[in-house]
Amino acid sequence: RKEVEQDPGPFNVPEGATVAFNCTYSNSASQSFFWYRQDCRKEPKLLMSVYSSGNEDGRFTAQLNRASQYISLLIRDSKLSDSATYLCVVGNAGNMLTFGGGTRLMVKP
Amino acid sequence: GAVVSQHPSRVICKSGTSVKIECRSLDFQATTMFWYRQFPKQSLMLMATSNEGSKATYEQGVEKDKFLINHASLTLSTLTVTSAHPEDSSFYICSASSGPYGYTFGSGTRLTVV
Repeated sequence: RKEVEQDPGPFNVPEGATVAFNCTYSNSASQSFFWYRQDCRKEPKLLMSVYSSGNEDGRFTAQLNRASQYISLLIRDSKLSDSATYLCVVGNAGNMLTFGGGTRLMVKP
Repeated sequence: GAVVSQHPSRVICKSGTSVKIECRSLDFQATTMFWYRQFPKQSLMLMATSNEGSKATYEQGVEKDKFLINHASLTLSTLTVTSAHPEDSSFYICSASSGPYGYTFGSGTRLTVV
């Protein structure tokens, strides 16, 4: 079983749609959680950190469920520019990051 | 914000030659830097953790004699791919911790070995 698992997609959605990505992690001792966005042939860029209380940044909402070892990302009112691969990333002791395989999102006009 | 500069962005080399990739933290000191590799349509895989002033820690399956890492200062880490082969062709990315829960990535190096 992979340490961090994501549905690879692709998720094909129309502009304006709401889309949700899920991620599960296997290490219950994981300490930090993030969503990164990666455009084709580019480096990953931090989208948002994920906290147990949940956090929202504009159209993006992230949630963490430690009991179920589950992380989610909700994107509302999808834009064409949201098309990218979204990486679920889990941090463990020693600042070690483990990346999920990524979920590809394609927003179409 | 924290910036990590990675060079070169793209390199093509002949099989059997060595390639050096540099990763610099421009406005912060990075005691630890991380080197990742990403094959097409796959996620980033950690290769090694580079520690300033000491030996790098390599992940299982990564050959330390092939992927030489040097972290001689708090702002510079280098990865040298020695005797490169076509199967080493990949996207190599470095990152550094720029504060609590903050990780900044370099722009990546696309290596093609012909």
